[in-house]
Amino acid sequence: NAGVTQTPKFQVLKTGQSMTLQCAQDMNHNSMYWYRQDPGMGLRLIYYSASEGTTDKGEVPNGYNVSRLNKREFSLRLESAAPSQTSVYFCASSVRRQGAVDEQYFGPGTRLTVT
Amino acid sequence: GENVEQHPSTLSVQEGDSAVIKCTYSDSASNYFPWYKQELGKRPQLIIDIRSNVGEKKDQRIAVTLNKTAKHFSLHITETQPEDSAVYFCAAPKTGANNLFFGTGTRLTVIP
Repeated sequence: NAGVTQTPKFQVLKTGQSMTLQCAQDMNHNSMYWYRQDPGMGLRLIYYSASEGTTDKGEVPNGYNVSRLNKREFSLRLESAAPSQTSVYFCASSVRRQGAVDEQYFGPGTRLTVT
Repeated sequence: GENVEQHPSTLSVQEGDSAVIKCTYSDSASNYFPWYKQELGKRPQLIIDIRSNVGEKKDQRIAVTLNKTAKHFSLHITETQPEDSAVYFCAAPKTGANNLFFGTGTRLTVIP
């Protein structure tokens, strides 16, 4: 099992450009998440998908959109990148049992710089 | 919603000493409290978690304690080693959802 994979690993964008970050998991997990990590601010949830076919906003959704393409894949799109979106982006997945919160498995991250 | 506070933000200890990191949470309905370790340039990985029906859980040199009345939980690392140097994050769930709110992290440095 590869676990959670993300592409690309690094990306540099100019202000106003768009891009999509890809995430896939092969653990048959129901839930998937996108976080951003900034120095001193921990991991902040951007969007999540509790199950295939559903997506919801997290703490910091402005400037982003997501697509749960199928059970395995969850992508994050920046339509018009801004310097404030310079960050490390992590995708994660979890089993999501009924009535219980479970361990989240993280991907390796994407380091994005917007100039 | 949940609010998780973590202290200290940095911690330096001599090799062999113990380290303690504390977190407080606001939602009394929270029932799951994980700790993640993130080494430099790597992804966060779960090292230990505790559910609200127990007060303490141990796994070799690491332990987590939970005080539901005071709404705080702590990570204890004994006999620290240089490879314990990393950033540690606590988390607590958002009520009614499978989402986690993460603390802001503690950078632990173990001095050989």
